Amino acid sequence: QITLKESGPTLVKPTQTLTLTCTFSGFSLSTNGVSVGWIRQPPGKALECLALIYWDDDKRYSPSLKSRLTVTKDTSKNQVVLTMTDMDPVDTATYYCARWYSSSWDYWGQGTLVTVSS
Amino acid sequence: QSVLTQPPSVSAAPGQKVTISCSGSSSNIGNNYVSWYQQLPGTAPKLLISDNHKRPSGIPDRFSGSKSGTSATLDITGLQTGDEADYYCGTWDSSLSAVFGGGTKLTVL
Repeated sequence: QITLKESGPTLVKPTQTLTLTCTFSGFSLSTNGVSVGWIRQPPGKALECLALIYWDDDKRYSPSLKSRLTVTKDTSKNQVVLTMTDMDPVDTATYYCARWYSSSWDYWGQGTLVTVSS
Repeated sequence: QSVLTQPPSVSAAPGQKVTISCSGSSSNIGNNYVSWYQQLPGTAPKLLISDNHKRPSGIPDRFSGSKSGTSATLDITGLQTGDEADYYCGTWDSSLSAVFGGGTKLTVL
């Protein structure tokens, strides 16, 4: 059974750095072809892919947010960590982690709502 | 502004068929597989269709997908009230990022 779960702060202040952790089970991020990514969804708005990390440690970032994002993995802990710097109220959203496999997001976490407010 | 274009909303009566379109370009849909996701209110998205037309295990055959050129389509037949949700298309883009459509809200009248 494959599961993913996001964890991190629910409230951050403007200009702070957000750190989110995705803890997963049921698969290994060292398996060829497997990737884990982060997707966010502002309230009432569409999905937006932020970052993706591959089994071989290759990384992809949203072009518009690349300067603010870093994604890393700890294969031994089955975790993927996303950091986003200089948070702004417009970054208020539900943040999901999901597995990217065979050209689709096949398993998703439940999501975590992050509010940016002073 | 999403990279892929979907109609904001569609509606149909129970038992009827509805079609949701997803338009892109040669930078994304034209050269990559399309997937579709269903997001029920208050829940995480769920994979409905992968590789343009493949249904994961457990997805009813009432849901079908297709792709032609730089556009893709999701068809839902035999509409049920439980199908009311937001539907998103997704694919890969040459900007080296996964992208989504703006989402389509399905109302079953």
